Amino acid sequence: QVQLVQSGAEVKKPGASVKVSCKASGYTFTSYYMNWVRQAPGQGLEWMGIINPSGGSTSYAQKFQGRVTMTRDTSTSTVYMELSGLRSEDTAVYYCARNIAVRGAFDIWGQGTMVTVSS
Amino acid sequence: QSVLTQPPSASGTPGQRVTISCSGSSSNIGNNTVNWYQQLPGTAPKLLIYSNNQRPSGVPDRFSGSKSGTSASLAISGLQSEDEADYYCAAWDDSLNGYWVFGGGTKLTVL
Repeated sequence: QVQLVQSGAEVKKPGASVKVSCKASGYTFTSYYMNWVRQAPGQGLEWMGIINPSGGSTSYAQKFQGRVTMTRDTSTSTVYMELSGLRSEDTAVYYCARNIAVRGAFDIWGQGTMVTVSS
Repeated sequence: QSVLTQPPSASGTPGQRVTISCSGSSSNIGNNTVNWYQQLPGTAPKLLIYSNNQRPSGVPDRFSGSKSGTSASLAISGLQSEDEADYYCAAWDDSLNGYWVFGGGTKLTVL
């Protein structure tokens, strides 16, 4: 079955970086884009950016420009999201979600990865 | 403050019909399609409606979506207890280099 499986929870100190993985299975990895969406505790959804697993091109939300890097490994069908310069406001659940086109709906989501930033 | 505006809460009794609104602007809803996501407590969001009014396979026809101008709506008929969840609207926004925007979410309570 089609699924996205993310890496486990992380606890980081302010100023550190975190790298979250999202492993795809059950479909052709390079045929779908992958997005990252985060949700702070008790808050709504916030789009961070998108990567095209086929060529590796990326587009990031302006808010995260300079702090986020999205990469992919086609040999393992895995995408990664690295966020640097962590601050307490980055404490959130981070989701990967695929879409067939940049403007397409997110039809499959990962289970989420909790990232806690605390000194 | 989210780019798309939703009421923070909605409620209804079993069997009732409820609607949730989503208001945007010409750069998002006015020029692009709207998707709706359902998030049950403690779980990842799930696609409920795409392209304004299309239901993915497996989504009951009790759920329907519509769009007019710069606003969209989600309707749930025959309300059931398992519909208690948070609902989010989303649309592509053409400003800047283009990006996805979400509503703040509506918590639906089944009384």
